[in-house]
Amino acid sequence: QLQVQESGPGLVKPSETLSLTCTVSGGSISSSGYYWGWIRQPPGKGLEWIGSIYYSGSTYYNPSLKSRVTISVDTSKNQFSLRLSSVTAADTAVYYCARLREVTGTTRFDPWGRGTLVTVSS
Amino acid sequence: SSELTQDPAVSVALGQTVRITCQGDSLRSYYASWYQQKPGQAPVLVIYGYNNRPSGIPDRFSGSSSGNTASLTITGAQAEDEADYYCNSRDSSGNWVFGGGTKLTVL
Repeated sequence: QLQVQESGPGLVKPSETLSLTCTVSGGSISSSGYYWGWIRQPPGKGLEWIGSIYYSGSTYYNPSLKSRVTISVDTSKNQFSLRLSSVTAADTAVYYCARLREVTGTTRFDPWGRGTLVTVSS
Repeated sequence: SSELTQDPAVSVALGQTVRITCQGDSLRSYYASWYQQKPGQAPVLVIYGYNNRPSGIPDRFSGSSSGNTASLTITGAQAEDEADYYCNSRDSSGNWVFGGGTKLTVL
C-alpha cells in the first residue's frame, strides 16, 4: 500500500526558506497518471493547496504563493520536495504531502501523509 | 478566498441524514472530491468522482452533483462521523482548490 511521509525542520526563522521532503514508499513516484502535491493548513484554519508536480517535472503552483514556491522531484530517491522562500509567521502551518490522481473531470488527493508542523519564528 | 463555498457548520441528530454542500462554478465541469478530517489527524478521502468511495469508507457516505453544487450525504450519521469536511476540485484557471470546510456536529 502506497504511503507518503513528510520530513524537514519544524522551526524556520522569518525571511528564511522552508524546505520539506516527501518520501513515497510502497509504489513508484514515476507511475503514469499520478501527480504529487503539497497542501498546508494553518492552525485552526482550512486546507490550502500549495502546488503539484508530475514525475516528469511539470509543476503547478497556487497563484497566491507562486513567486515563493518551488516544487521538485527526485525519481531516484522516490521523493519530491517543497521550498517556500521568504517565510513569515503567516506560513506557520501543518504541511501535508499527498498523491494526486487526475482523470478527466475528476481529481483526488489520496493518500495523505501525517503532516508536519512548521513554525515560523525567530 | 476559496472559489468553492461551503457552509461553516452543520449539525445532525444521531442516526439521521445530513447533506454537506459545496458550491462553485468549476463544479459545472468538474466533480468534487470530499475529505474527512478529525482533530489532530490528516484528511482522508471519502468520496471522489461520480459517487466513488475508496476502500474502507462506509457506504453511508455518498456523493452527488447538480449544476454548480456538489453534495456529500451521510445517511444514518454516527458519532464517529463528527469531523471537518472539505471539498476539492479544480478552479476556472485549472488550479486545484479546497472549499473552506464544514464542521459537522453529531448531536
